[in-house]
Amino acid sequence: KNQVEQSPQSLIILEGKNCTLQCNYTVSPFSNLRWYKQDTGRGPVSLTIMTFSENTKSNGRYTATLDADTKQSSLHITASQLSDSASYICVVSARDYKLSFGAGTTVTVRA
Amino acid sequence: KAGVTQTPRYLIKTRGQQVTLSCSPISGHRSVSWYQQTPGQGLQFLFEYFSETQRNKGNFPGRFSGRQFSNSRSEMNVSTLELGDSALYLCASSYYRGGGAGTGELFFGEGSRLTVL
Repeated sequence: KNQVEQSPQSLIILEGKNCTLQCNYTVSPFSNLRWYKQDTGRGPVSLTIMTFSENTKSNGRYTATLDADTKQSSLHITASQLSDSASYICVVSARDYKLSFGAGTTVTVRA
Repeated sequence: KAGVTQTPRYLIKTRGQQVTLSCSPISGHRSVSWYQQTPGQGLQFLFEYFSETQRNKGNFPGRFSGRQFSNSRSEMNVSTLELGDSALYLCASSYYRGGGAGTGELFFGEGSRLTVL
């Protein structure tokens, strides 16, 4: 069973609207959690990195939250733009340096 | 600063052949890790090299191998190609070991798309 589960698998939103992506993990012992954005045919690009003690981190219109107690994270996209259409991947790092990847959420922003 | 460079970007091989992919990390980065990405399995970790030594390995058969040179450039090789090896192979570099464990950043290249016929 994958140690990182993302939901929903895909979503469609209208330009200008907000959306929230979820990431649940079972990785232990936990080191950090990252969100990456991957445009079609490109490599992933880091959006945020959060350690155990961080609850919220923002990068422009992207805001990630982390609840280390419940092992849940979310990525909120505010005022979506067409360029936000991409796959968003949650990655959890364990203290033994191993990374676990979620399957990703595909976001499609429609005009 | 130049990013992570992967070559070739696209290649087509036939079953049974072998392939070598190259990755040049960001200058100063000593860790290079490799990943396989397919629509069905998502991103899967292959292995990580740090200071020319393999530090971590994923659950892939021995047909998948790699190495790192003294200038931190890395290559990965897949022998006896199978249809299921068709994928996007991503390389990432980081300053720290462990794919940027801790608060270190992990920087990905654009990938090498391998098609096995």
